[in-house]
Amino acid sequence: GAVVSQHPSWVICKSGTSVKIECRSLDFQATTMFWYRQFPKQSLMLMATSNEGSKATYEQGVEKDKFLINHASLTLSTLTVTSAHPEDSSFYICSATGLAGGLLTYNEQFFGPGTRLTVL
Amino acid sequence: GQQLNQSPQSMFIQEGEDVSMNCTSSSIFNTWLWYKQEPGEGPVLLIALYKAGELTSNGRLTAQFGITRKDSFLNISASIPSDVGIYFCAGPANSGYALNFGKGTSLLVTP
Repeated sequence: GAVVSQHPSWVICKSGTSVKIECRSLDFQATTMFWYRQFPKQSLMLMATSNEGSKATYEQGVEKDKFLINHASLTLSTLTVTSAHPEDSSFYICSATGLAGGLLTYNEQFFGPGTRLTVL
Repeated sequence: GQQLNQSPQSMFIQEGEDVSMNCTSSSIFNTWLWYKQEPGEGPVLLIALYKAGELTSNGRLTAQFGITRKDSFLNISASIPSDVGIYFCAGPANSGYALNFGKGTSLLVTP
C-alpha cells in the first residue's frame, strides 16, 4: 500500500514551453500533497504544499506563477512549469500524505519516483 | 525552517561492515524519519520514530530517536552492495505536514 506514481518519469523540452507533471496516489486518498525539487547531489527542497480543493501554499522564493499547482482530487495533483528555462532543469518529486485505514500518519509522507526535467 | 545537520556526508565501506550515521536538529522534533534514495528514484521510507528514546528496527536497519529530541541515528549492520544509496533524515517542518530533509549521507559498499 501507500503507492505514489508520477508521470512522466522524464521529460525534455525547449526553453519557453510549459511542462505538466502529474502525481497520483494509487491506493489511498491524499489529503495533502507536496512538491519538492532536487538538484544533483543535493537534498530535497520543499516547493509547495497542496491541499485538495484549495490553493497551494508556496515556500519562500518559489514563484507561484511559474510553478502552477492544481490538486483537484484526493488522488491527483499536477505541477505545471510554465515558460521553462534551463535553470528549471531538476528532479521534481511529489509526496502524499493522508489517511488510509490507519496506515499513514500525518508525518509519514510517501514519495513518487520523481520526474527528471531537462530544459534545452 | 529547522536546520538538520547530517553526518557523515559520505561513506565508502566494505561489504559486511556496520554503518552508522546521525542527524541533529537545531530545534526539538516530535518525529524523525529516515529515507533511502537510489539514483533516479524518489526517497523510500525506512523507519519512522515518534517517541524520544524510541529504538526501532527494520531488518538490518536500526534507528533511534534521541532523548533530547534533537537528534537521531541510523545504523546498518552487515552492509551489502544493495545498501548503496543516499540516506536522508527528515523531520517535520514548521509549516503543517511538510518535511525538512538533511543533506544526506551517500553510502558506497564494495563487494
